[in-house]
Amino acid sequence: DVKVTQSSRYLVKRTGEKVFLECVQDMDHENMFWYRQDPGLGLRLIYFSYDVKMKEKGDIPEGYSVSREKKERFSLILESASTNQTSMYLCASSFGTTTGNIQYFGAGTRLSVL
Amino acid sequence: AQKVTQAQTEISVVEKEDVTLDCVYETRDTTYYLFWYKQPPSGELVFLIRRNSFDEQNEISGRYSWNFQKSTSSFNFTITASQVVDSAVYFCALDGSGNTGKLIFGQGTTLQVKP
Repeated sequence: DVKVTQSSRYLVKRTGEKVFLECVQDMDHENMFWYRQDPGLGLRLIYFSYDVKMKEKGDIPEGYSVSREKKERFSLILESASTNQTSMYLCASSFGTTTGNIQYFGAGTRLSVL
Repeated sequence: AQKVTQAQTEISVVEKEDVTLDCVYETRDTTYYLFWYKQPPSGELVFLIRRNSFDEQNEISGRYSWNFQKSTSSFNFTITASQVVDSAVYFCALDGSGNTGKLIFGQGTTLQVKP
């Protein structure tokens, strides 16, 4: 069965803290994605990766960075958390780099920055 | 530019009613894929269906059906005889030929099915 695991369901952090969100997939997928979900805005792509050590900016990369040292793990980093980064963060993975691949999602991490 | 619009923000129905969720997309690509995902209260997006731009046949899966019309750039989703377990946020998404796997999501439609 397909499995994308996000390390935390809920996180509460202080403004200015460095925050790590971890995502692991067990399907040997090449592609991994980080989205944030906000009411009325749907899902917006922050960063994605097509291979180990590769990363590309999505639509809203400002204030975020990512790391992909191993194929199965994709980390989202908030260098200095701010209150406007309070949101639901969703990780996804998919196979291959052609059009039309199904993305499989984790359960999400709800981050609150105080 | 590519875009997906789900104009219905929230829909509330009573159990056993039929309900249609609208999705309108914009793309200049001739090859593209459309998706529907369901997000129950647990938070995880669950894949429901994928349709490519060359296949306009409607699809039925149990109580779910999808109507794809290229002429109106729409990919609507109908739930027949809705149930309380259908309560969720539903997202429509587009993967154009230039996106190589990146999805463009609509804003989502929250469906509440009341007993």
